Amino acid sequence: GDSVTQTEGLVTLTKGLPVMLNCTYQTTYSPFLFWYVQHLNEAPKLLLKSSTDNKRTEHQGFYATLHKSSSSFHLQKSSVQLSDSALYFCALSEMSNYNVLYFGSGTKLTVEP
Amino acid sequence: ETAVFQTPNYHVTQVGNEVSFNCKQTLGHDTMYWYKQDSKKLLKIMFSYNNKQLIVNETVPRRFSPQSSDKAHLNLRIKSVEPEDSAVYLCASSLFEQYFGPGTRLTVL
Repeated sequence: GDSVTQTEGLVTLTKGLPVMLNCTYQTTYSPFLFWYVQHLNEAPKLLLKSSTDNKRTEHQGFYATLHKSSSSFHLQKSSVQLSDSALYFCALSEMSNYNVLYFGSGTKLTVEP
Repeated sequence: ETAVFQTPNYHVTQVGNEVSFNCKQTLGHDTMYWYKQDSKKLLKIMFSYNNKQLIVNETVPRRFSPQSSDKAHLNLRIKSVEPEDSAVYLCASSLFEQYFGPGTRLTVL
């Protein structure tokens, strides 16, 4: 079945440094990948989405490129801010199944001053 | 701007009781979902409805039953709650990308 793997459970960085959060996936269908961000005690919110191979997508300073050859959709930012501290989920949509999302285990990003 | 509303925000109950959670979306979407977020923050799909019809029913204990009166409303009933049901239950709606409600935090004592 479909699955998403996020290898880092916890990432701690100093403000201003770059970050990359890993996401790989498995699916037998054409993939549609998402990154959701969840701040403390809030709902998950869409950060990025893509179904186009090798095309970079950007939003709010974050960017990611879907690479179907390596089944990856890593999230990056060149300079993290304190407000980026949150839980980040990579998710795979099964479009053939009414867009049900299958989430990775999440990466907690903590940005320190 | 909130467009997916959930009630209650919190609920504390004892093992064996029945609970019901409500969800309403004002986005005009046809598809709604229930997800469970456990204490480790893992997010997992439970059910999906499309225009009042149940279309996705993941492996969920039978004490969980979703209900939909129209495409804007999706409720979740849990008969005889158990300690492992303690979690945040997130409702979402979608035309394509999903919009989540704030969640209902259930604590089972």
